[in-house]
Amino acid sequence: RKEVEQDPGPFNVPEGATVAFNCTYSNSASQSFFWYRQDCRKEPKLLMSVYSSGNEDGRFTAQLNRASQYISLLIRDSKLSDSATYLCVVPLGGSQGNLIFGKGTKLSVKP
Amino acid sequence: EADIYQTPRYLVIGTGKKITLECSQTMGHDKMYWYQQDPGMELHLIHYSYGVNSTEKGDLSSESTVSRIRTEHFPLTLESARPSHTSQYLCASSARTGSRSGANVLTFGAGSRLTVL
Repeated sequence: RKEVEQDPGPFNVPEGATVAFNCTYSNSASQSFFWYRQDCRKEPKLLMSVYSSGNEDGRFTAQLNRASQYISLLIRDSKLSDSATYLCVVPLGGSQGNLIFGKGTKLSVKP
Repeated sequence: EADIYQTPRYLVIGTGKKITLECSQTMGHDKMYWYQQDPGMELHLIHYSYGVNSTEKGDLSSESTVSRIRTEHFPLTLESARPSHTSQYLCASSARTGSRSGANVLTFGAGSRLTVL
C-alpha cells in the first residue's frame, strides 16, 4: 500500500451537493492528519486538522477511522468557490515526522 | 499579508546557469522545507531543516542544495540548471514543537515556478 492514497477524481458536482473524499494511509503509528486545499497554480493551504475521531468546521467535516486507516472529508452544500484540489496529508513516522502529501482529489463544482 | 516569501515567483533561464531561489519567513518557525511539484502531480519533499545550520535531504532526490544560516532564511541553489529541473518549488515552514496543532501545520510560500530552456 502506498503511504497516502487518494482518489484523484475529478469529482464534478452541482452547487449545493454533498461530496465526500476518502484517503487511506499505511503508517498505523500516525496520530495527526490534515486536509489541505490547493487552488490551481497556487500554494496549498491548511483546511482542517484531525487528531481524534473527527473534526467539523462549518460545511466541512473530517472523520478518522484508525482501524481501517482512512480519513474522509465531507463537504456539504458545495459552493463554486470550493472548486480546488484537496490534499490528504499524513506525518511520516509519528506526530513529529515530515509530512507525506497525497496526490490530491480534484473537485469541480458547477452552477 | 504573507508570512513566508519566495522570490522569484517566475524564472525562465537557460541550461547551465546557476540559480538561487529565495525563501524567508517572519513567523520565527524553526522548521523549513522545500517541496517540488510538477503540474497536476503531488508535492515531493526535497529538503528540510530543523533550525540554523541544520539541513537534511527529503524523500525525492534532488541536485539542488540548501543552506540555513539564519532562522528566517532558507535559500535553494541549483549550480547548473537543466530542463529536467523545470518545476514549481514551494517553500514552507512550521513550528518545531509546542502544541500538537502547531508542530506539523505547514505554511507555504506562493512558490517559484522555474523553467529551464
